[in-house]
Amino acid sequence: EAQVVESGGGLVQPGGSLRLSCVASGFSSSGYLMNWVRQAPGKGLEWVATIKQNESAKYYVESVKGRFTIFRDNPKKSVYLEMKSLRAEDTAVYFCTRVSILGMDVWGQGTTVTVSS
Amino acid sequence: EIVLTQSPATLSLSPGEGASLSCRATQSVGTSFLGWYQQKPGQAPRLLIYGTSNRATGTPDRFSGSGSGTDFTLTITRLEPEDFAVYYCQQYGPSPPLTFGGGTKVEI
Repeated sequence: EAQVVESGGGLVQPGGSLRLSCVASGFSSSGYLMNWVRQAPGKGLEWVATIKQNESAKYYVESVKGRFTIFRDNPKKSVYLEMKSLRAEDTAVYFCTRVSILGMDVWGQGTTVTVSS
Repeated sequence: EIVLTQSPATLSLSPGEGASLSCRATQSVGTSFLGWYQQKPGQAPRLLIYGTSNRATGTPDRFSGSGSGTDFTLTITRLEPEDFAVYYCQQYGPSPPLTFGGGTKVEI
């Protein structure tokens, strides 16, 4: 069964940094685009970033450009989200997802990031 | 950037009733690239419908999707208790951004 598991969330002060990790199992993650999606408390889903299979392209929502970096380590079946200059509005549950022709067809359970002093 | 608007924001219904959820886009969305997700409290979203009208693995046949261009619909016939949740549409066209609608909450 295809699965992804996120980790790395936590409490961080405004202006701080955090790195989220996502490990895939049950499928060859190197063959897929991978995504991060977030959900602020009580709010809807927001796409954050996408990375192509060979890192040839990376895409970000406007609000995180210049602060977040998505990257991957295919031999480790892992995708990461490096987050810097964190703001209160970055507080959310962050989901890692697989992207296929079906859309976002595999989701992790999410990892919670809280930005607060 | 394509913006998706879902309506209504909340739908109050009873088990056994039918539901029709709307998703409108500011630009034409290829039918291959419109999906619906279901999210229950405390859970991750799960893919329900892909390519406008194709049920994902495990999606009951009481769920159906339709539409084209800028107007898309998720229809649920005969609501079951487990169907009360929030539903999101999403366009995942060839290039990001991959936008979501604001969601429709189907409540009892």
